[in-house]
Amino acid sequence: QAGLTQPPSVSKGLRQTATLTCTGNSNNVGKQGAAWLQQHQGHPPKLLSYRNNNRPSGISERLSASRSGNTASLTITGLQPEDEAEYYCSAWDRGLSAWVFGGGTKLTVL
Amino acid sequence: QVQLVQSGAELKKPGASVKVSCEPFGYTFTAYYIHWVRQAPGQGLEWMGLINPNDGGTNYAQKFQGRVTITGDTSNNTAYMELTSLRSDDTAIYYCVREGTGAFDYWGQGTLVTVSS
Repeated sequence: QAGLTQPPSVSKGLRQTATLTCTGNSNNVGKQGAAWLQQHQGHPPKLLSYRNNNRPSGISERLSASRSGNTASLTITGLQPEDEAEYYCSAWDRGLSAWVFGGGTKLTVL
Repeated sequence: QVQLVQSGAELKKPGASVKVSCEPFGYTFTAYYIHWVRQAPGQGLEWMGLINPNDGGTNYAQKFQGRVTITGDTSNNTAYMELTSLRSDDTAIYYCVREGTGAFDYWGQGTLVTVSS
């Protein structure tokens, strides 16, 4: 099944800002928006944002999500070492009647 | 506190079946859909299917149609995922996940299924 497209890797310096992107189509991101997940090595994913820019309780205000057309974005400001992780986007695809994921972006904090 | 507790690691031979359980705590079992997502070693996340524990309704990814069965038992508040005709490329961590507010908000700890002769 077709998934969402994410860049494989992004590298930024400490305290800088990183913007991660997730591109889908009008049946998924463009229609339903996207959710973002963070996964540290050896741990299950954790929900960071849902319905484009809602953060679960306990998620840092340094994270914000947005959507423009068929592309969703996650912006992390003031990068910290603990932000180094794999980031996935997900969305419901109404055409496939299935959930789809991006391939993940490895964020490296230099 | 919401938790999803999964059964332990499994080692299976090719052609066998595996059944993984998922017991949620901290909320009403029938109030939220439960999904199954897997992750092969070093790979990304792959959605397998979901169950509505309230009525047992299911929806499976096309890739797994005919090989996966997701069930829910309201008598013991447990969801199950059974995968048949296992192959080596089914080796993965299998997660059960709660869907809340239209997203995957709580994840189980994962169950490693290894398929090897």
